[in-house]
Amino acid sequence: DGGITQSPKYLFRKEGQNVTLSCEQNLNHDAMYWYRQDPGQGLRLIYYSQIVNDFQKGDIAEGYSVSREKKESFPLTVTSAQKNPTAFYLCASNLITSGALAKNIQYFGAGTRLSVL
Amino acid sequence: KQEVTQIPAALSVPEGENLVLNCSFTDSAIYNLQWFRQDPGKGLTSLLLIQSSQREQTSGRLNASLDKSSGRSTLYIAASQPGDSATYLCAVESLTGGFKTIFGAGTRLFVKA
Repeated sequence: DGGITQSPKYLFRKEGQNVTLSCEQNLNHDAMYWYRQDPGQGLRLIYYSQIVNDFQKGDIAEGYSVSREKKESFPLTVTSAQKNPTAFYLCASNLITSGALAKNIQYFGAGTRLSVL
Repeated sequence: KQEVTQIPAALSVPEGENLVLNCSFTDSAIYNLQWFRQDPGKGLTSLLLIQSSQREQTSGRLNASLDKSSGRSTLYIAASQPGDSATYLCAVESLTGGFKTIFGAGTRLFVKA
């Protein structure tokens, strides 16, 4: 089955520790995204990548880092510089299309819930 | 800066009722608007996507409309069922935002049996 796989489902971080969230897709999508979701708020964009070996900061990139070495993988590292990391993290991907009938439907993984010990 | 607002934040209705969820956005320069469903502790599932040149999209009991000039979209759910209980999020892809999508905070829907 094609889709997006996020792991782990639950993650605990100790103070001062870096942790990495995994996101893998087998949809052959060009673009991948990381969002953070806090209770009562919409999703906020952390980083996105439209092509391998290239990525851009979103609205809340401070304290996070990413890499895009392979088309199907876009891991997110939550560094010790992120002082409030407790949240639900969602990875998404889509095809980049153009034209009047282009669709940019985003497909999401099941999410990783990160908590601080 | 594009902002997306969804009203109401929460809604409880009896089974069988028709209902409307609202979404508004501040910048009408959008590429498309998408409605998503999110079940508790899960990812998002795309329900309907409306391109900026379209007025509405339908899928089963769902109908989404788009009025770009007024910055509004509605999601109409006919004959609601308990299985429709979830959070519904609206998102716009702004022309001025590259490939970034801006999400509303969602409407939490509870359909009572």
